[in-house]
Amino acid sequence: AQKITQTQPGMFVQEKEAVTLDCTYDTSDQSYGLFWYKQPSSGEMIFLIYQGSYDEQNATEGRYSLNFQKARKSANLVISASQLGDSAMYFCAMREGGSSNTGKLIFGQGTTLQVKP
Amino acid sequence: DTAVSQTPKYLVTQMGNDKSIKCEQNLGHDTMYWYKQDSKKFLKIMFSYNNKELIINETVPNRFSPKSPDKAHLNLHINSLELGDSAVYFCASSHPVLSDTQYFGPGTRLTVL
Repeated sequence: AQKITQTQPGMFVQEKEAVTLDCTYDTSDQSYGLFWYKQPSSGEMIFLIYQGSYDEQNATEGRYSLNFQKARKSANLVISASQLGDSAMYFCAMREGGSSNTGKLIFGQGTTLQVKP
Repeated sequence: DTAVSQTPKYLVTQMGNDKSIKCEQNLGHDTMYWYKQDSKKFLKIMFSYNNKELIINETVPNRFSPKSPDKAHLNLHINSLELGDSAVYFCASSHPVLSDTQYFGPGTRLTVL
């Protein structure tokens, strides 16, 4: 069965430094999508970045990049130049393979990131 | 210019009551979803509709009934509320053909007393 694992319940990073949030996944599908979402204390779910299983290049969106290592089944989120506003909970998620019409997302447990001034 | 909206944002009610949460998206997406986030922040899919047709029903108690009057709306009705239903409920939408990305509403925090 598909599964997403985030092994870091909480992380600290100094402002302006880079931080990596870990995510590993398990699937037998060849076609799948990997996502990262941010949930600040206000509660909304904010989409950050997406990586398709067939994408050869690592996805990047501004200060966010996804370190995709397919053979190791890992999809780590790298946040460069951390800002105080990055303090939030971060979720890794996987869209089940097969027909993309189902679109079901499976989420990891989340990692709480705190940025220190 | 809100993309995915939900009402109400907060819902406090007594056990045994029936309540509804409404969701609307103005993104032109074909597919809408309901997710539940429990007290430990774990998120899990409940339902998915594509063009008003139910395509995912994740072993949710039949007290929960989604209704999609059109592809821009997906409402969640809950009968006979129980204490364990207390959670944050998120609506989301996507256009599976154009993009895999699901965009979430602001969430509805349901508290059952």
